[in-house]
Amino acid sequence: QVQLQESGPGLVKPSQTLSLTCTVSGGSISSGGYFWSWIRQHPGKGLEWIGYIYYRVSTHYNPSLKSRVTISPDTSKNQFSLKLSSLTAADTAVYFCASCSGGSCHHFENWGQGTLVTVSS
Amino acid sequence: QSALTQPPSASGSPGQSVTISCTGTSSDVGGYNYVSWYQLHPGKAPKLMIYEVSKRPSGVPDRFSGSKSGNTASLTVSGLQAEDEADYYCSSYGGSTLVFGGGTKLTVL
Repeated sequence: QVQLQESGPGLVKPSQTLSLTCTVSGGSISSGGYFWSWIRQHPGKGLEWIGYIYYRVSTHYNPSLKSRVTISPDTSKNQFSLKLSSLTAADTAVYFCASCSGGSCHHFENWGQGTLVTVSS
Repeated sequence: QSALTQPPSASGSPGQSVTISCTGTSSDVGGYNYVSWYQLHPGKAPKLMIYEVSKRPSGVPDRFSGSKSGNTASLTVSGLQAEDEADYYCSSYGGSTLVFGGGTKLTVL
């Protein structure tokens, strides 16, 4: 079973860039047929899909965040990362990494526990 | 505002059944059989409970079932147990994106 664990700073200043890492075990991010994703949950609100990376270099992002998001792999460490730029308080959320498998991504079989990121000066 | 609409809360006594709705549009819920449901307990990894409208992953009790009619999907929990108390989120494929609901807090009375 694929297991995922998020890591990164808990506090980031407005206008800065957030960098989070997801460490994967029980599966290889280099393997085909997996989509490695980021999802966030604003405090007291619903979930929001951010985007995913697949086939090592292909990416697909939520149109509402596309201009600020980069998801990239580190195959040597079996990790993938999220960079979100031009942060505002509205980016305060719990950030989850998750995986889906198959020919396309329609649901997320495995999730990390999430990491809270607060954007504040 | 979330793309899919869920009631903020639902409740039932142990042993009873509860149904949670998830309303979207013909561009997501109504257009694809790719509705999924997730269970979130605070501090724990979210768990996939239902996928492709009504399929259960291995290990999910058959007390959990899913269905869809038009633009509305539903999650039914039968024989409620104390451990079912959690937040539940629906999700749907929307053509080129994935959308979620605002979540429903299920309370076992």
